[in-house]
Amino acid sequence: EAGVAQSPRYKIIEKRQSVAFWCNPISGHATLYWYQQILGQGPKLLIQFQNNGVVDDSQLPKDRFSAERLKGVDSTLKIQPAKLEDSAVYLCASSTRSTGNTEAFFGQGTRLTVV
Amino acid sequence: AQSVTQPDIHITVSEGASLELRCNYSYGATPYLFWYVQSPGQGLQLLLKYFSGDTLVQGIKGFEAEFKRSQSSFNLRKPSVHWSDAAEYFCAVGAGNNRKLIWGLGTSLAVNP
Repeated sequence: EAGVAQSPRYKIIEKRQSVAFWCNPISGHATLYWYQQILGQGPKLLIQFQNNGVVDDSQLPKDRFSAERLKGVDSTLKIQPAKLEDSAVYLCASSTRSTGNTEAFFGQGTRLTVV
Repeated sequence: AQSVTQPDIHITVSEGASLELRCNYSYGATPYLFWYVQSPGQGLQLLLKYFSGDTLVQGIKGFEAEFKRSQSSFNLRKPSVHWSDAAEYFCAVGAGNNRKLIWGLGTSLAVNP
């Protein structure tokens, strides 16, 4: 079974530029999560999708971050414009359903450096 | 408010020694509890989880954890650590109606040969 795929693995951009990350969840997984993990901290949920609908985006900085999950499969996360404090690893995860008693499978993440 | 505390930021053990990583949570209802491991440059991998039933949970790679409701704890243990266990360990609790995962800050484990 293929795991959660993310690209790119690494990205370096200048502040005020835009960047996009892509995630392909495990086939058949209805729930998709985007997390931000700043160095030395635990992951912070940015947005959770159930199929192509948003379940939770309470911690997504909506003035600069956006995410979509067209057709309920792949997802993209965009930052525009980027700030220095956006430097982090962005993790995508998927699970079979939305309730917390299911395991979430994580991709390897995209390490973003904003200079 | 729900929260997860991992009191130890960094732990160093010798290979072959036993290991216990602490996790305390704050949550009003019966929690869903998880331990994840993150190796350098890798994503998070689930070690074990507790939803209900037996409070001693067995996981992968020889790890186990015990849920103690009276202490609001879910400590991770391994009887004999291997050098490959060096990684970051995260405790998480599924909270709220949607059981959103609340994460601890992690414990970094180093293993001496």
